[in-house]
Amino acid sequence: KAGVTQTPRYLIKTRGQQVTLSCSPISGHRSVSWYQQTPGQGLQFLFEYFSETQRNKGNFPGRFSGRQFSNSRSEMNVSTLELGDSALYLCASSSEPSEAYNEQFFGPGTRLTVL
Amino acid sequence: SQKIEQNSEALNIQEGKTATLTCNYTNYSPAYLQWYRQDPGRGPVFLLLIRENEKEKRKERLKVTFDTTLKQSLFHITASQPADSATYLCALDDGYGGSQGNLIFGKGTKLSVKP
Repeated sequence: KAGVTQTPRYLIKTRGQQVTLSCSPISGHRSVSWYQQTPGQGLQFLFEYFSETQRNKGNFPGRFSGRQFSNSRSEMNVSTLELGDSALYLCASSSEPSEAYNEQFFGPGTRLTVL
Repeated sequence: SQKIEQNSEALNIQEGKTATLTCNYTNYSPAYLQWYRQDPGRGPVFLLLIRENEKEKRKERLKVTFDTTLKQSLFHITASQPADSATYLCALDDGYGGSQGNLIFGKGTKLSVKP
């Protein structure tokens, strides 16, 4: 079974631009969660989608948004990029809605650098 | 505010020894606690989950304890090997559990096992 895939793996953007990241969950998984990882803040929850609906949202500004398609693939978008958005963006999938008792399967991440 | 602390940013031990990593939390009442391993350039990989009513859980050379009175989890790797070198993350549900529980991650402890 293929794991979680994320594209692109690396991305360089400049301030003010917008970016779209893509995540394909493990086949059969309907929940996709997005996280931002930085050395200073660690791994922080952005949002979770299940069956095309946003179930949960972390404490990030509205510049961060996402969506999920009928095939469970998910995209996240960051508009008006700031230098502080430079981070590793990770997506994780699980078969059921993400709960604290469910194992999450992470992708390799997209390394975003904002110049 | 809710807070998770993994007591060491880095831990260096000799091969064959037992590594003990600590995860402390405040202002939480988590029902579950998870441990993940993360290698450089890769997403976290789930290792173990322990419930609040479980004192201890084992998996091969790994052992996790969960003390809700001390608000602490200990993660042990016995007979450590250089291949165990990685960053280990603890994660808790944010205390709401149920259908809206988020996973909150610690910043991780980087373990180095020297031959």
